[in-house]
Amino acid sequence: DQQVKQNSPSLSVQEGRISILNCDYTNSMFDYFLWYKKYPAEGPTFLISISSIKDKNEDGRFTVFLNKSAKHLSLHIVPSQPGDSAVYFCAASAVGGSYIPTFGRGTSLIVHP
Amino acid sequence: SAVISQKPSRDICQRGTSLTIQCQVDSQVTMMFWYRQQPGQSLTLIATANQGSEATYESGFVIDKFPISRPNLTFSTLTVSNMSPEDSSIYLCSATTASSYNEQFFGPGTRLTVL
Repeated sequence: DQQVKQNSPSLSVQEGRISILNCDYTNSMFDYFLWYKKYPAEGPTFLISISSIKDKNEDGRFTVFLNKSAKHLSLHIVPSQPGDSAVYFCAASAVGGSYIPTFGRGTSLIVHP
Repeated sequence: SAVISQKPSRDICQRGTSLTIQCQVDSQVTMMFWYRQQPGQSLTLIATANQGSEATYESGFVIDKFPISRPNLTFSTLTVSNMSPEDSSIYLCSATTASSYNEQFFGPGTRLTVL
């Protein structure tokens, strides 16, 4: 039973446009959410996070939105660049779980020049 | 932050053999973890490597199959024992620091193929 779901395995976007990656979760105990980015042959690297007390967190071109009632979060990348092409993992954690995250299966983003 | 290296980066092994993966961090970290990523799947936590004591395994993973050591604050090993083709996967080491307990730093992974 997947507690963190990324239903789109891949996404293709034109350079300069917006990329929207979606993530749904089922466990209402999750209170901290993260996005990781992974290039081939490298480990995932932390990108951005959001606490459940917020509904938006922005860092440069990256913004994460959290809708707790819908148990949904999304990552917006504006404008998208070819270097953003990677696999993006959504992750969620809870205080009771010692903040060890549960990961989704990832979405492969391809940004075309 | 923490920079994590893993050895080997990849290996091809015969079924029934064992492989030990090493994870080295460039600074002292609080927690170290081992993950597995099978093709098309999410990162699945195998265990938390505890310094000087037995690792804490997640459901579905056992010490006999995945023995783990963590002799100090910067080093850990994961052994994949009595391998079968189903163990073919990417194995990742990660760590958290005292100042970034919510965010994990990952090693580059070890790509294991079992024939």
